[in-house]
Amino acid sequence: DTEVTQTPKHLVMGMTNKKSLKCEQHMGHRAMYWYKQKAKKPPELMFVYSYEKLSINESVPSRFSPECPNSSLLNLHLHALQPEDSALYLCASSQELRGVDIQYFGAGTRLSVL
Amino acid sequence: DQQVKQNSPSLSVQEGRISILNCDYTNSMFDYFLWYKKYPAEGPTFLISISSIKDKNEDGRFTVFLNKSAKHLSLHIVPSQPGDSAVYFCAASAVGSARQLTFGSGTQLTVLP
Repeated sequence: DTEVTQTPKHLVMGMTNKKSLKCEQHMGHRAMYWYKQKAKKPPELMFVYSYEKLSINESVPSRFSPECPNSSLLNLHLHALQPEDSALYLCASSQELRGVDIQYFGAGTRLSVL
Repeated sequence: DQQVKQNSPSLSVQEGRISILNCDYTNSMFDYFLWYKKYPAEGPTFLISISSIKDKNEDGRFTVFLNKSAKHLSLHIVPSQPGDSAVYFCAASAVGSARQLTFGSGTQLTVLP
């Protein structure tokens, strides 16, 4: 089983709203990731959690706030977003395999900011 | 500066023929390479990978070739099937930062029946 589950699949929010994206995996992976993907572009790394601790923040604006409540869950809290933040938000997880990480992705949350 | 490049945004191939997708990289610290396939409205799906200590890895219809001296890798799909139509991303991982992937811009493969 290589399933990463993301909810919701679609989200529309105004610039003053607060919302959260959720990601769940039950593969025992100890690294989890948030990516942002714009149309016809590759995924861009936002955050990396390793053993439930934030290890990488790729200079993401503070209106995006990640949270890792436990080893299976990853949240992304959204507040005061801008229209240019509209994108596909992907969650991934990985477990080091023979010294290399293969990342498994969820289906993503399609976010529209009005 | 793009460290991983896929110079062909699209490729069309007839069903049953070979599909060859190319990827170039500039960072000599990359030591592991992966190919992902992405259908619309889905997340990227891991397809096949190769370590820099090898020059070829094969899995069923999919074979990845690595030419380190040219900093070039390619994905061969044979025979191509209509269900292979998707966007293919090449990704690379560097020594000491295996938890970060650098993606290419993707190639849209269309397999014509």
